[in-house]
Amino acid sequence: GAVVSQHPSWVICKSGTSVKIECRSLDFQATTMFWYRQFPKKSLMLMATSNEGSKATYEQGVEKDKFLINHASLTLSTLTVTSAHPEDSSFYICSARRKGQPQHFGDGTRLSIL
Amino acid sequence: DQQVKQNSPSLSVQEGRISILNCDYTNSMFDYFLWYKKYPAEGPTFLISISSIKDKNEDGRFTVFLNKSAKHLSLHIVPSQPGDSAVYFCAASVTGANSKLTFGKGITLSVRP
Repeated sequence: GAVVSQHPSWVICKSGTSVKIECRSLDFQATTMFWYRQFPKKSLMLMATSNEGSKATYEQGVEKDKFLINHASLTLSTLTVTSAHPEDSSFYICSARRKGQPQHFGDGTRLSIL
Repeated sequence: DQQVKQNSPSLSVQEGRISILNCDYTNSMFDYFLWYKKYPAEGPTFLISISSIKDKNEDGRFTVFLNKSAKHLSLHIVPSQPGDSAVYFCAASVTGANSKLTFGKGITLSVRP
């Protein structure tokens, strides 16, 4: 079946650091990739939708200069949390889909900013 | 504004019995609904979906029912097995809206041996 790989799975870093998270679709070409954030005991909140070769579409309230998304190929999207602060600590998860198929998710990245 | 609601945070059932997980939505534009299952430290895994043109979709032990007039869907698992213990997310989307999913908060299902 389809597999989405997300790396790293866990990051601890100092405040002010920029952190990059990778999302790869391993056995299919993803027409669209999505980035979500999940707070404790809350639902997955969509941050942005990313199509290969075009700029990401950000949801209302998500700072695009804070959360940089690059979708350079049909199998790779990256999310960079720039100048991270403790309030950015969260669980970030990506998904990928091909046309006509449901989204398949990575295993998420636990980000902790000290 | 929670457009997809899973009002029960948890459910516990006996092995072999039926598990019924409920989900309500408020956005009448939603026309495609999915259920995802999530184990700890893993990403959600797609389980089953239903289009608004149907009121039932079945896949093995899993059946999803859709009541459009009530804006309600439910996932039935029968018979329930201990391996079904996980968090179940209900999600909804509008066809053509780049397949953006709106998720509920999830229900933690525990199946007792």
